[in-house]
Amino acid sequence: GAGVSQTPSNKVTEKGKYVELRCDPISGHTALYWYRQSLGQGPEFLIYFQGTGAADDSGLPNDRFFAVRPEGSVSTLKIQRTERGDSAVYLCASSLTGGTSGSYNEQFFGPGTRLTVL
Amino acid sequence: GQNIDQPTEMTATEGAIVQINCTYQTSGFNGLFWYQQHAGEAPTFLSYNVLDGLEEKGRFSSFLSRSKGYSYLLLKELQMKDSASYLCAVRDLNTGFQKLVFGTGTRLLVSP
Repeated sequence: GAGVSQTPSNKVTEKGKYVELRCDPISGHTALYWYRQSLGQGPEFLIYFQGTGAADDSGLPNDRFFAVRPEGSVSTLKIQRTERGDSAVYLCASSLTGGTSGSYNEQFFGPGTRLTVL
Repeated sequence: GQNIDQPTEMTATEGAIVQINCTYQTSGFNGLFWYQQHAGEAPTFLSYNVLDGLEEKGRFSSFLSRSKGYSYLLLKELQMKDSASYLCAVRDLNTGFQKLVFGTGTRLLVSP
């Protein structure tokens, strides 16, 4: 079946603009995660959804970042007033459930959206 | 918080064996993952350890020692396609066990 898909694959914007990044998780996966990966670094957690609700948004760097998942499937990451420091690859992942302590709960990653803020 | 350390870069020869180490510090350890990431692509799952010991899966094996906060990924019979970054990630019950906390990754270059 289809994996996690993300659109656009590349986004170039100007400082101060608003952007939306979209994630389509694997069908039937209830848990969805957003990560951000800067060059030469590992992915950094941003937010986790269980169903429609944001169960953990502790990784969002500031109030310019917001994410929604209104129907429990597709999610949109929204960044207001973009800054050059927001340039990174934004990765989305999904897993079958939110998992429980000690469970496997593999996260499947999408190819990412490369965001460049000029 | 967590502190995860991996070597930045390693080189090895085709057909050889390589061991990539990862050390971590967490207050509520709840599992360690290894992911492979080719340049410009998504991370893909390799292994999961939550109990001490060795997990073997084909050419790849992963080891965990919880008392030492230490794991390694062992790659045997290296192939050119194994050139990639290898990411160590942990889950921590005390900081939200759903999210993965990643190290910076180890870039492995396999040469002929």
